Amino acid sequence: NAGVMQNPRHLVRRRGQEARLRCSPMKGHSHVYWYRQLPEEGLKFMVYLQKENIIDESGMPKERFSAEFPKEGPSILRIQQVVRGDSAAYFCASSPLRTEYGYTFGSGTRLTVV
Amino acid sequence: TQLLEQSPQFLSIQEGENLTVYCNSSSVFSSLQWYRQEPGEGPVLLVTVVTGGEVKKLKRLTFQFGDARKDSSLHITAAQPGDTGLYLCAGALNTGKLIFGQGTTLQVKP
Repeated sequence: NAGVMQNPRHLVRRRGQEARLRCSPMKGHSHVYWYRQLPEEGLKFMVYLQKENIIDESGMPKERFSAEFPKEGPSILRIQQVVRGDSAAYFCASSPLRTEYGYTFGSGTRLTVV
Repeated sequence: TQLLEQSPQFLSIQEGENLTVYCNSSSVFSSLQWYRQEPGEGPVLLVTVVTGGEVKKLKRLTFQFGDARKDSSLHITAAQPGDTGLYLCAGALNTGKLIFGQGTTLQVKP
């Protein structure tokens, strides 16, 4: 049983391009969370999704960022018109329930905007 | 806005020493979780504490949840170089969201 799979592991985009980050949760997990991490910092919550629903997007910037978790396929975090400040590590986590018992994290996507 | 204050941010000690990392908040959490993160990887769950006053041990690591479920500590006995890494505490809200502390970067020198 594979863990949480994120791809790509590294992504380089020029300013103004779009970045698409993918996350496949663990088998049987229906809850997906996206977090962003800057160097030497903790993780900042972005969005919480269930299949076909956004449950909490209070951490998402109002513009350029969107997320989805379709009925079929991986969860996608999309960043339009990237800027240098978007450079960070983006982590996806999944859980079987809306659980307080811990997440399983993927290895992250390191986005570099040049 | 819920905040989780983690201290110290950086800790450099010699092998064999003991250390404690603290995690404090004014908010009450349904559980408190500790993660360890290696460079270039995602955080890995170490333990979850749920009940106020709960103490859990994982080999040389002892985790405690405060009676009021607002704070937690991680104590490492006789630290080893293999303990080097970033330690993160995270509080779970009833909404399902986790709030993370800033992290403690631990370096254990041989």
